[in-house]
Amino acid sequence: EVQLVEYGGGLVKPGGSLRLSCAASGFSFSTYTMNWVRQAPGKGLEWVSSISSPSTYINYADSVKGRFTISRDNAKNSLFLHMNSLRADDTAVYYCVREIRRGWFDPWGQGTQVTVSS
Amino acid sequence: QTVVTQEPSFSVSPGGTVTLTCGLNSGAVSTSHYPTWYQQTPGQAPRIIVYSTDTRSSGVSDRFSGSILGNKAALTITGAQADDECSYYCLLHMGSGAYVFGGGTRLTVL
Repeated sequence: EVQLVEYGGGLVKPGGSLRLSCAASGFSFSTYTMNWVRQAPGKGLEWVSSISSPSTYINYADSVKGRFTISRDNAKNSLFLHMNSLRADDTAVYYCVREIRRGWFDPWGQGTQVTVSS
Repeated sequence: QTVVTQEPSFSVSPGGTVTLTCGLNSGAVSTSHYPTWYQQTPGQAPRIIVYSTDTRSSGVSDRFSGSILGNKAALTITGAQADDECSYYCLLHMGSGAYVFGGGTRLTVL
């Protein structure tokens, strides 16, 4: 079964840092581009970042550029999102998703909640 | 800044047809943006409906169809049913490898 499990979320103060992880299983992780997508409470979906495999092509949404860093470890079937200088508007559920084809993100895990608050 | 526009809300009668659209503030949406449509019910993860403009995902009813209408991507739902009532999100690929989601359309069937 193809599965993505996100973890590492939590409560952090404004200006703080957090590292999200995503464990992949059931598919050949090293052959797929991976993405992070987030959803703030009661709001819509927001694409955050993507990383190809190998990590040649990396992209970020303008809202996180310079603060977030995406990375991957193909040997460990893992995806990461290092988040610095966190702000209240970064509060969201963060999903790691596999990119099957352009725009086709699947599966979606349960996500991990990040709350930025003092 | 790139903004993808969707109708915030739409209403359709049961059995009716509705077309949701997805526009781009910087110009026309084309197949080069690989328009993708997701459906999301409250508390659930998004589910893909259409990718690459007009290709239905496996298991999706043929009541859903994607297209380009004028300068926008469109998702048409025919024979609307009660369980179509949820939010629909458009996703566009921006060529540079980045993506942008639209704000979503909340569809009401009544």
